[in-house]
Amino acid sequence: DTGVSQNPRHKITKRGQNVTFRCDPISEHNRLYWYRQTLGQGPEFLTYFQNEAQLEKSRLLSDRFSAERPKGSFSTLEIQRTEQGDSAMYLCASRPRGTQHTEAFFGQGTRLTVV
Amino acid sequence: EDQVTQSPEALRLQEGESSSLNCSYTVSGLRGLFWYRQDPGKGPEFLFTLYSAGEEKEKERLKATLTKKESFLHITAPKPEDSATYLCAVQSDYKLSFGAGTTVTVRA
Repeated sequence: DTGVSQNPRHKITKRGQNVTFRCDPISEHNRLYWYRQTLGQGPEFLTYFQNEAQLEKSRLLSDRFSAERPKGSFSTLEIQRTEQGDSAMYLCASRPRGTQHTEAFFGQGTRLTVV
Repeated sequence: EDQVTQSPEALRLQEGESSSLNCSYTVSGLRGLFWYRQDPGKGPEFLFTLYSAGEEKEKERLKATLTKKESFLHITAPKPEDSATYLCAVQSDYKLSFGAGTTVTVRA
């Protein structure tokens, strides 16, 4: 499978715990995005990487959230001290290098439940 | 800030009953309008990209059109397998801004 891969697919955690998600983009896609989606809503932008550089971070992203993309390949999204409001689907998407407005390819997401 | 509004929120159709979904947008310099399909518990699946007013794209029973203020997704003679949430997104800089989606249910 050469699509965007996200792990784990599901995560249940207790409030206050830290969690980390991984995204493996399509090979040679240099642009990578993280989105969050809650029930009945569209995906909401969290952060954007071009290669290993994090170029933009949403104002909605609290300091408890951090993302990395070492070496411009896979990316991780960490949430510290999770809260019940963090429960959502976390989606990763990648785009190839080149023009800005090519389509983004999404992974299947990581469903986070904070109890 | 880019804004995307989709209507209706939900649409129930009988198999074969054609209909249209609306996506109205406000954006400073449209670089692309995207339609995605999303099945429950899955990530969005790309359908179409439209770049300029007057453009149309087709794929099987789906046809997307674009004007300066809105886009339509027409579903012709839908089948139960067309049941999904259809998401519209716009791009003005580097990211996609999504609407809340229209959930389509097609009954046999």
